[in-house]
Amino acid sequence: EDKVVQSPLSLVVHEGDTVTLNCSYEVTNFRSLLWYKQEKKAPTFLFMLTSSGIEKKSGRLSSILDKKELFSILNITATQTGDSAVYLCAVHIQGAQKLVFGQGTRLTINP
Amino acid sequence: DVKVTQSSRYLVKRTGEKVFLECVQDMDHENMFWYRQDPGLGLRLIYFSYDVKMKEKGDIPEGYSVSREKKERFSLILESASTNQTSMYLCASSVGTTRYTFGSGTRLTVV
Repeated sequence: EDKVVQSPLSLVVHEGDTVTLNCSYEVTNFRSLLWYKQEKKAPTFLFMLTSSGIEKKSGRLSSILDKKELFSILNITATQTGDSAVYLCAVHIQGAQKLVFGQGTRLTINP
Repeated sequence: DVKVTQSSRYLVKRTGEKVFLECVQDMDHENMFWYRQDPGLGLRLIYFSYDVKMKEKGDIPEGYSVSREKKERFSLILESASTNQTSMYLCASSVGTTRYTFGSGTRLTVV
């Protein structure tokens, strides 16, 4: 069974801290890994990773994939209260028309 | 930008009622999906469709059915609502196989 596991499930930090969110996966036929941010409404796309070791970056957010060890991390530096959200990791299976999601990490940034 | 619209933000229904959740996308996407999101369980796929009148079961189809009579519209039907179907329901669409666009979600409470 295809499986995506995120950790931690919940994280509370102070504004300005750096956080690392983890996503590990066990799937039959990996194609890509995606990160989404979900505030109160629809999840919004952050990154798609297909190649191992290549960092994707957008402002204070960055992500990297390790296809050998089957995991990805999402880093957020100099966190702000607006970063508070649920962060979702999903894996796209080769040949399938769907994504398999992890449980999500609820990140809370306190001022 | 692609827009995915879910007809209701909040719904309260009684046990045993037939419930319709509607989803419309405006960018001619082939693929549409229904997920439910529960704390600690992440997003779980209920049904998806890759063309008009086509449907595929996801991981948790029991108690649900779907309808896709037009390309832009994908409906989720709860034939006889039960309290364990209380959840957040998310619709998504995509062209190709990744990079979903999500709707804002429908929070359904069955009493």
